[in-house]
Amino acid sequence: QQPVQSPQAVILREGEDAVINCSSSKALYSVHWYRQKHGEAPVFLMILLKGGEQKGHEKISASFNEKKQQSSLYLTASQLSYSGTYFCGTEERAGGTSYGKLTFGQGTILTVHP
Amino acid sequence: DGGITQSPKYLFRKEGQNVTLSCEQNLNHDAMYWYRQDPGQGLRLIYYSQIVNDFQKGDIAEGYSVSREKKESFPLTVTSAQKNPTAFYLCASSRIVRGENLFFGSGTQLSVL
Repeated sequence: QQPVQSPQAVILREGEDAVINCSSSKALYSVHWYRQKHGEAPVFLMILLKGGEQKGHEKISASFNEKKQQSSLYLTASQLSYSGTYFCGTEERAGGTSYGKLTFGQGTILTVHP
Repeated sequence: DGGITQSPKYLFRKEGQNVTLSCEQNLNHDAMYWYRQDPGQGLRLIYYSQIVNDFQKGDIAEGYSVSREKKESFPLTVTSAQKNPTAFYLCASSRIVRGENLFFGSGTQLSVL
């Protein structure tokens, strides 16, 4: 079952902030965040791991609530280049062949206007 | 430069035809994945492979087939059994390490004539 993202779409003016949420019904090892421009490859933003470790871009911030299996991506002082579709991908705690296997949410469309 | 190359960028399929999408990586990654993307539905896993000559079905494997004869290559065949093949197909790779990010190719847009 895929994780649920909210909201489905956000419209901002430059400089405004936004929060994108990702919620899973599974016990998670990690949550990944990617941004995709139309017709292009998704670009890695951040990974949040069970236990609190984070890996990713310095200008991106996010949180991971391990008890609730929820993650949030915080976009502050938005720029025009932030526009795109944001996906969360979740990696379950079960081991074996699930290592590295991500299940993606349906995406959140972010539009930033001048 | 290391990366993942998908080809072709655009592909058209006729009724009853099988088509093959190419995916090559030079990142020395053990794991490779195929995702299908439809508007509003995010990315859905078709097949993945963690070692040469072995692969596992993902969530929507029906109508697709793959092979992994070389570490660098993971081609996807969309068979005639896939009745709704029009979608954007993304190939990805990663190391087999917990919490490792995926590297994506630039995608192939498949359409039915």
